[in-house]
Amino acid sequence: RKEVEQDPGPFNVPEGATVAFNCTYSNSASQSFFWYRQDCRKEPKLLMSVYSSGNEDGRFTAQLNRASQYISLLIRDSKLSDSATYLCVVNDADTGRRALTFGSGTRLQVQP
Amino acid sequence: DVKVTQSSRYLVKRTGEKVFLECVQDMDHENMFWYRQDPGLGLRLIYFSYDVKMKEKGDIPEGYSVSREKKERFSLILESASTNQTSMYLCASSLWGSSYNEQFFGPGTRLTVL
Repeated sequence: RKEVEQDPGPFNVPEGATVAFNCTYSNSASQSFFWYRQDCRKEPKLLMSVYSSGNEDGRFTAQLNRASQYISLLIRDSKLSDSATYLCVVNDADTGRRALTFGSGTRLQVQP
Repeated sequence: DVKVTQSSRYLVKRTGEKVFLECVQDMDHENMFWYRQDPGLGLRLIYFSYDVKMKEKGDIPEGYSVSREKKERFSLILESASTNQTSMYLCASSLWGSSYNEQFFGPGTRLTVL
């Protein structure tokens, strides 16, 4: 079983749509959570960290549910430039590692 | 502007060759990482280092070794390249401390082993 699981998509949505991605993680002791964005043929870049209280950054909202061990990302008013792969990422800091465990990514294609 | 650079964007090697992938960061970060990325498998950690001359195995260290002689430089070595090591290799760095510290990635090296 993968440690971090995501629906690979692709999610094809029209401009202006609201789209939500979910991700589940297996280690209940995981400490910190992120969404990274990866454009085609580019490196991953941090989109936002995910805190227990939930957090919002413009059109993007991230939620964490520790009891159910899932993380979500909501994108409102989708733009063409949002087309990318979104990686759900978990840091199992209890192991002393500072390395991240990545999901395989969910591909989003926003269409005009 | 923070920067992680990798020595090559594309590399083609033959089976059995020794391959060196170099990564340099200019942010004075303590932590450095090597991942490989394959379709459907996502990024998987090969090795990481949290200090000069220190290294820790990640999830898939077999067939790889690393070297960190200077803080800014982290090298990945394929002792004898094999075709199943054809992949995209990504280097990253981060500050020591908070588990929420961002990891910054290099542009990647696409390695093909023939």
